[in-house]
Amino acid sequence: AQKITQTQPGMFVQEKEAVTLDCTYDTSDPSYGLFWYKQPSSGEMIFLIYQGSYDQQNATEGRYSLNFQKARKSANLVISASQLGDSAMYFCAMSLEYGNKLVFGAGTILRVKS
Amino acid sequence: ETGVTQSPTHLIKTRGQQVTLRCSSQSGHNTVSWYQQALGQGPQFIFQYYREEENGRGNFPPRFSGLQFPNYSSELNVNALELDDSALYLCASSKEIPHAGGRETQYFGPGTRLLVL
Repeated sequence: AQKITQTQPGMFVQEKEAVTLDCTYDTSDPSYGLFWYKQPSSGEMIFLIYQGSYDQQNATEGRYSLNFQKARKSANLVISASQLGDSAMYFCAMSLEYGNKLVFGAGTILRVKS
Repeated sequence: ETGVTQSPTHLIKTRGQQVTLRCSSQSGHNTVSWYQQALGQGPQFIFQYYREEENGRGNFPPRFSGLQFPNYSSELNVNALELDDSALYLCASSKEIPHAGGRETQYFGPGTRLLVL
């Protein structure tokens, strides 16, 4: 069975600084995808970044990058130059089926301070 | 803009009642999934439909059922509502990730907040 663990219930970061949100995963399947989503207080889930298990390079998307360490089964999200609008809940998720049937972690609340 | 819409945005029901939640996605999005997100938790996969057939189900009882229609809309039906069914219900449509070699992810609608009293 797949499992996603996010051990940080909440994080604070100063505006314009970088922050790392932790995610570890567990699966015995060699082929999987890892995803990060942002959920503002309004409730919608916003897709941020994707990493495939066979991808050799870490994914990047604007200010978001994914620090993928396959041997350690971790997929941490790094947000650079934090902005006030980054304050939200962040979820790490995994799929064995090309992005379908996502399994989510419990999430990390990020608060950006001015 | 994900192209996924849901209605209603909010709903209040009483225990034992039945509810239907609706989702609409764009043309060509053949796969639709439903998730339940209880307060303070991550979304939980309920089930998925592909070309109008159920294509996988999470750990939810049979009183949770769904339909997908040819016009890419979908319904989630919940019978005999229980207090624990109070949650945000999210509909998601599978779509290609830009510049990712054909990989897909789930793009979510804004959700329906259901309160069962």
